[in-house]
Amino acid sequence: AQSVAQPEDQVNVAEGNPLTVKCTYSVSGNPYLFWYVQYPNRGLQFLLKYITGDNLVKGSYGFEAEFNKSQTSFHLKKPSALVSDSALYFCAVRDLRNFNKFYFGSGTKLNVKP
Amino acid sequence: SQTIHQWPATLVQPVGSPLSLECTVEGTSNPNLYWYRQAAGRGLQLLFYSVGIGQISSEVPQNLSASRPQDRQFILSSKKLLLSDSGFYLCAWSGSSGRAAGELFFGEGSRLTVL
Repeated sequence: AQSVAQPEDQVNVAEGNPLTVKCTYSVSGNPYLFWYVQYPNRGLQFLLKYITGDNLVKGSYGFEAEFNKSQTSFHLKKPSALVSDSALYFCAVRDLRNFNKFYFGSGTKLNVKP
Repeated sequence: SQTIHQWPATLVQPVGSPLSLECTVEGTSNPNLYWYRQAAGRGLQLLFYSVGIGQISSEVPQNLSASRPQDRQFILSSKKLLLSDSGFYLCAWSGSSGRAAGELFFGEGSRLTVL
């Protein structure tokens, strides 16, 4: 079965510092991985995806993610955090055997303090 | 460009009353459509997905049902709401299975409170 795990319920970081939000995956074959962000009472917004190619994927709002096959990880990163980055972040995987299904992690709340 | 609309944004309903949440997608054809529920502002639970008109797959048996009367319209319904149906409901669409690399695009959500 395809799945992703987000081991941190919450991440706290000071504004201007680098941030990392962790995600590990368990899939059969090559993974299709995604990151989303959710602000309070809003829908999820797509940030970036890894399908194939370069292990470092760049996305919206200065975010990037590094695909690591040996560690089965897809951590979300940003060199310098902003207070406005404070939100709920979700990692997701698309089921390759059934392209219709997306599986989401439990979410990580990012708090960026001024 | 593609857009997704979801309504109503907020709904307060008594226990035992019916429910209808509607979702429409514009700017694409033959999308895959999804209903998710998010409880307590956290994890997403896939409720239903549809690959075409009249084709509905249910992920979790429950008090809800879904219908797809038109290609770009997806409706979530209940005949009698339970307290446990309260939550944040999200509609989403993706490209059809031939475009495997596509991501999900979400609506703005519908907040349902059952009293």
